[in-house]
Amino acid sequence: GNSVTQMEGPVTLSEEAFLTINCTYTATGYPSLFWYVQYPGEGLQLLLKATKADDKGSNKGFEATYRKETTSFHLEKGSVQVSDSAVYFCALSVDYGGATNKLIFGTGTLLAVQP
Amino acid sequence: GAGVSQSPRYKVAKRGQDVALRCDPISGHVSLFWYQQALGQGPEFLTYFQNEAQLDKSGLPSDRFFAERPEGSVSTLKIQRTQQEDSAVYLCASSLVAVTQGELFFGEGSRLTVL
Repeated sequence: GNSVTQMEGPVTLSEEAFLTINCTYTATGYPSLFWYVQYPGEGLQLLLKATKADDKGSNKGFEATYRKETTSFHLEKGSVQVSDSAVYFCALSVDYGGATNKLIFGTGTLLAVQP
Repeated sequence: GAGVSQSPRYKVAKRGQDVALRCDPISGHVSLFWYQQALGQGPEFLTYFQNEAQLDKSGLPSDRFFAERPEGSVSTLKIQRTQQEDSAVYLCASSLVAVTQGELFFGEGSRLTVL
């Protein structure tokens, strides 16, 4: 079946530290991969995506590269800010050929950035 | 409205009561999804609508759960004879297109607590 595994949190960092949140997946077919973010008191928002192997998604200083050989999509940022404090969800969707693609989420990783 | 709106934001129900949760998607969005998010977990798919047609209800956990979208806009998730295990945040998401490729706009959710 299709599933996503991401590192457990919380992850606590000081401002300007380097961030990595690991995500690996299992999928039949050819998944698209996503990172969603949930800021306190807000709904889930798409942060970045990659639709095929070796694609790199990027947004707001965050990056993730779709690695088919290691079935991974790790999220990275070179210098985190207090405003990046949120819960980060890795997700996948699989194209079954014409039908809409429901998202399958990991359990989420809480990031807390301290000033 | 500008985003996906859900109501009520918080609902406390006694075990055995029926509840109804409302979702107002972004105007003109074709696709509408319901997800269930238990505490400390990622969202799990419940059901999907394309306009007024419910095309996938494979994630509904029991026949106590029922969803509708009669005019292809507002949707209601109904839970009959609520049980404690139904306690969760119920998320609604919408997308402009029929085949979403995983890019969804989420509401803030309705938190249901069953006593």
